[in-house]
Amino acid sequence: QQQVKQSPQSLIVQKGGISIINCAYENTAFDYFPWYQQFPGKGPALLIAIRPDVSEKKEGRFTISFNKSAKQFSLHIMDSQPGDSATYFCAATRTQGGSEKLVFGKGTKLTVNP
Amino acid sequence: EPEVTQTPSHQVTQMGQEVILRCVPISNHLYFYWYRQILGQKVEFLVSFYNNEISEKSEIFDDQFSVERPDGSNFTLKIRSTKLEDSAMYFCATAGLRAGNTIYFGEGSWLTVV
Repeated sequence: QQQVKQSPQSLIVQKGGISIINCAYENTAFDYFPWYQQFPGKGPALLIAIRPDVSEKKEGRFTISFNKSAKQFSLHIMDSQPGDSATYFCAATRTQGGSEKLVFGKGTKLTVNP
Repeated sequence: EPEVTQTPSHQVTQMGQEVILRCVPISNHLYFYWYRQILGQKVEFLVSFYNNEISEKSEIFDDQFSVERPDGSNFTLKIRSTKLEDSAMYFCATAGLRAGNTIYFGEGSWLTVV
């Protein structure tokens, strides 16, 4: 019940295209869903996050869509650029009454071709 | 932007040796975490630390592991007797003054056990 399932494992997109990464969770106690971007040899960096009281959050080219009833959330990267090539991890945590540990998905390696 | 600082960036150690990984959290942060990432795999939670005590630990965090904040600034992870399977990138992460704050990751310490 602690798992976060992420797909696809890898994704290749042309420059200017839309990248879509999907995640699903089981624990209904999760109430904070961040996406992290990781470049090789670096630590994960927070990209964007959402709470379940909203269905969508947009920051620049990055949008999270959240479906509470389906227990799914997704990251959309519009106008994908070669500089977006990285590994993306979705995560989930329970911020109330817990240690707030992040449960990560397995990651999606995104390659944006020029 | 404030950052989490980790040392060393890379350490090679003999199996059975003790290793200490160090982290300087973001100033005024109160929640501290260690995560690890085996090469090519997802980021896994090890332990959370709040108010000078462990608040939660995973199955990975067995008796060989310990954490402390000896001087009120550094946050350390000690692996008492390293095993080959401890080879991984270890990330320190910290979060702010109240529940639900963003978790910031350091750049990681790459541990190789030979």
